[in-house]
Amino acid sequence: KQEVTQIPAALSVPEGENLVLNCSFTDSAIYNLQWFRQDPGKGLTSLLLIQSSQREQTSGRLNASLDKSSGRSTLYIAASQPGDSATYLCAVTRRTGRRALTFGSGTRLQVQP
Amino acid sequence: DTAVSQTPKYLVTQMGNDKSIKCEQNLGHDTMYWYKQDSKKFLKIMFSYNNKELIINETVPNRFSPKSPDKAHLNLHINSLELGDSAVYFCASSRDDNYGYTFGSGTRLTVV
Repeated sequence: KQEVTQIPAALSVPEGENLVLNCSFTDSAIYNLQWFRQDPGKGLTSLLLIQSSQREQTSGRLNASLDKSSGRSTLYIAASQPGDSATYLCAVTRRTGRRALTFGSGTRLQVQP
Repeated sequence: DTAVSQTPKYLVTQMGNDKSIKCEQNLGHDTMYWYKQDSKKFLKIMFSYNNKELIINETVPNRFSPKSPDKAHLNLHINSLELGDSAVYFCASSRDDNYGYTFGSGTRLTVV
């Protein structure tokens, strides 16, 4: 059974810092990995999607890497801003069988102005 | 706007009632999902439909019944609501795994 863990559970940083959020998964037989952002009381916004054959994806100040063999992904946020404050969720899709997302419990990020 | 839209956004109801949550996507996606986010903010798959066919049915009480009249709609009907059903329910859709998932804004269900 796939399990996804995110560390840290919460993070508070001053504005301008570069930061790394970690995600690990127990079953490396994934089809892809997706990072989402969830604002309080809101839905999920897709940030980055990494296919299992890819090593990283970039979008603006965000960079996500994937090391499938070790079961790890990191989300790097450069020059953090108060508007980045949200919960960041990592989710993986299995390679075979039922294609549904298995989510981690999230990292709650607070960027202090 | 292209999106996944859910209604209602908030739903407060008494124990024992029957309620429905509606979901529609205009993205042309083939697969739709219902996820439940509990009080600890953990998201778990409930159901998945592909072209109106049920393909995932997790261990969910049979008081929950999804219905897909067409591939753009996936509704969730809940019978005999219980306090433990209080959660945020998210609808999502995907074309295929190469393109990831799009989520609705969620329905916050409170059972009193």
